[in-house]
Amino acid sequence: ETGVTQSPTHLIKTRGQQVTLRCSSQSGHNTVSWYQQALGQGPQFIFQYYREEENGRGNFPPRFSGLQFPNYSSELNVNALELDDSALYLCASSPRAGGAFFGQGTRLTVV
Amino acid sequence: KQEVTQIPAALSVPEGENLVLNCSFTDSAIYNLQWFRQDPGKGLTSLLLIQSSQREQTSGRLNASLDKSSGRSTLYIAASQPGDSATYLCAVDNNDMRFGAGTRLTVKP
Repeated sequence: ETGVTQSPTHLIKTRGQQVTLRCSSQSGHNTVSWYQQALGQGPQFIFQYYREEENGRGNFPPRFSGLQFPNYSSELNVNALELDDSALYLCASSPRAGGAFFGQGTRLTVV
Repeated sequence: KQEVTQIPAALSVPEGENLVLNCSFTDSAIYNLQWFRQDPGKGLTSLLLIQSSQREQTSGRLNASLDKSSGRSTLYIAASQPGDSATYLCAVDNNDMRFGAGTRLTVKP
């Protein structure tokens, strides 16, 4: 059974650019969630996808968008990057029984 | 809106001590509560998951309790080791996961 994997592990982008982060869910998990973690803080919920539909969203602007694919992998897209978007982005997949299992994260730096 | 608070924010103990980390939450209508460990710059490793119908879970030297009515959970670590040094996060799930800011634990040899 493979765990949750995210790519890339590190990324540097310029303010105003767009970025796509990717996540492969753990086998058998059909729910995926994305979180933003600023330094020294707990993760903040961005949104959740269940069976390719958005199933909940946190307090993030529309320039944060996502997709879930039929194989339950997922993408997080951020448009018009701002300096404050610099953070660790975490993906988690969840089984039907509940709980969340996280990937190693993508460190995004916006300069 | 669910608020999750973890106390203390940081803790330093000598090796071998037993210790308790605290987590409180404001909305008791949760599906489950989960404790995680995070090493610097890394992802989250799940330690224990307590379903809303359960009172506690144990794994090795770790024991987590849940009291939904009072909105509290504790993570007990027995016989702490330097390898336990990390940030410990609790998260409650009521449709989306809300995290505390974490407790940064240092275990000194």
